[in-house]
Amino acid sequence: EVQLAESGGGLVRPGGSLRLSCTPSGFNLSDYNMNWVRQSPGKGLEWVSYISRRSGTTYHADSVKGRFTISRDNAENSLYLQMNSLRAEDTAVYYCARDSSLQSGYDKYFYFDLWGRGTLVTVSS
Amino acid sequence: DIQMTQSPSSLSASVGDRVTITCRASQTIKSYLNWYQQKPGKAPKLLIYAASSLQSGVPSRFSGSGSGTDFTLTISSLQPEDFATYFCQQSYSLRTFGQGTKVEIK
Repeated sequence: EVQLAESGGGLVRPGGSLRLSCTPSGFNLSDYNMNWVRQSPGKGLEWVSYISRRSGTTYHADSVKGRFTISRDNAENSLYLQMNSLRAEDTAVYYCARDSSLQSGYDKYFYFDLWGRGTLVTVSS
Repeated sequence: DIQMTQSPSSLSASVGDRVTITCRASQTIKSYLNWYQQKPGKAPKLLIYAASSLQSGVPSRFSGSGSGTDFTLTISSLQPEDFATYFCQQSYSLRTFGQGTKVEIK
């Protein structure tokens, strides 16, 4: 079965660090660009970070820039999110999401076609 | 940054109703618009990509339309399993989600 599984969430104090992992099943991580998306309790979805297939390109949302780092190890078939200087407002369920695309003429449309079940990160003293 | 605004934020509807949710982008995004469904405690599920393409396995009662800045998700005949929250997402420049529309039972 094709799926993604996140791990590494937990309770951390403000200012602390945490590293999330995402492991695929049923496909090779190296074939896809990947993302992290988060959802605060009772709130909407917020895109967090993007990484290209060979790690050449990464992007982060302004809300986490300078504190979070997305990375991947294709040999280990794993995606990571290193989270430093954590704040209460970083409390959320963190999902990894696979980026797929559709080429149509000169346009290449991107969408998240596969999501993990999420891992909860709670930042609290 | 591109902002996405959905309306309404919530709606009440009955089984069999036709439901329409709109999403507006703060600047043109051509057809770089996706729709997701999320049920409580579950990960989002892709319904529509590239504004109007139906994801494999998604029932044909779901459809998407629009381009530029204004988009619509339509459920032609609401089914019990469709009560959920729906999010739009632009992929024209990085990624941004709308705030969500909760579809509740009337």
